[in-house]
Amino acid sequence: QVQLQESGPGLVKPSQTLSLTCTVSGGSISSGGFYWNWIRQPAGKGLEWIGRFYTSGSTNYNPSLKSRVTISGDTSKNQFSLQLNSVTAADTAVYYCARVHYYGSGSSGDTFDIWGQGTMVTVSS
Amino acid sequence: EIVMTQSPVTLSVSPGERATLSCRASQSVSNNLAWYQQKPGQAPRLLIYGASTRATGIPARFSGSGSGTEFTLTISSLLSEDFAVYYCQQYNIWPPWTFGQGTKVEIK
Repeated sequence: QVQLQESGPGLVKPSQTLSLTCTVSGGSISSGGFYWNWIRQPAGKGLEWIGRFYTSGSTNYNPSLKSRVTISGDTSKNQFSLQLNSVTAADTAVYYCARVHYYGSGSSGDTFDIWGQGTMVTVSS
Repeated sequence: EIVMTQSPVTLSVSPGERATLSCRASQSVSNNLAWYQQKPGQAPRLLIYGASTRATGIPARFSGSGSGTEFTLTISSLLSEDFAVYYCQQYNIWPPWTFGQGTKVEIK
C-alpha cells in the first residue's frame, strides 16, 4: 500500500525559503503513470494545487506561484521535494503531498488518490 | 483559471437523511470533476472521479452526477462518519487544477 509522508521545518521566517520533502513508501516515484504533487491549505480555507513532478523530471506549476516554486525528485531516496522562495505570512498553511494515478490499471484520471497526512508550516519572524 | 463554486457553504442534515451538495464550474469541465471528503485534522479523501465513478472502497451511498458546469454529490442516507467538509475539483483545464471552497455537512 502506497503511503506518503511530508517532512520539513514547521516554522520559516519571512523572505526565506520553505523546503519540504515527501517520502513515498510502498511504491516507486519512478513508476510510470503517476504524478507527484504538492497541495496546500491555509487554516479554515480551501485547497490550492501548487505543482507536480513526473518521473521524467518534468514539472508543472500553478501560475500564481510559478515564479517562486521548484518541485524536484530524488529517485534514489524515493522522495520528491518542494521549495517555495520569498515566503510571506500568506504562505502559512498545511502542506500536503499527493499522488495522481493518471494512467494504467486503477487510474482515476488527474485526481489525487493518495495523500500524505499534511504538515503545518508557519511563516513568522 | 476555472473557478469552482460550491453551495451551500454549510448544510445541516439529520443522520439518516439525504444530503445534496452542488458544484458549479465557471466554464465547462466536461466530466472531469472529482469530489473529496475531509474530516478535521485529516487529509482529503477521494470519493468520486469522472463526475460519477466512486473511488476504490467508497460506499454506494455516495453518488455523483452532472457534466459541463453543474455537478451534484448526493449522500443517500447520512451516517455519523459522513459529517465533514466536501470539496469538488476540476481537472479538465489546467494549469492549475482548481478546487471549490468546500461545503460543510453538519449534524442538524
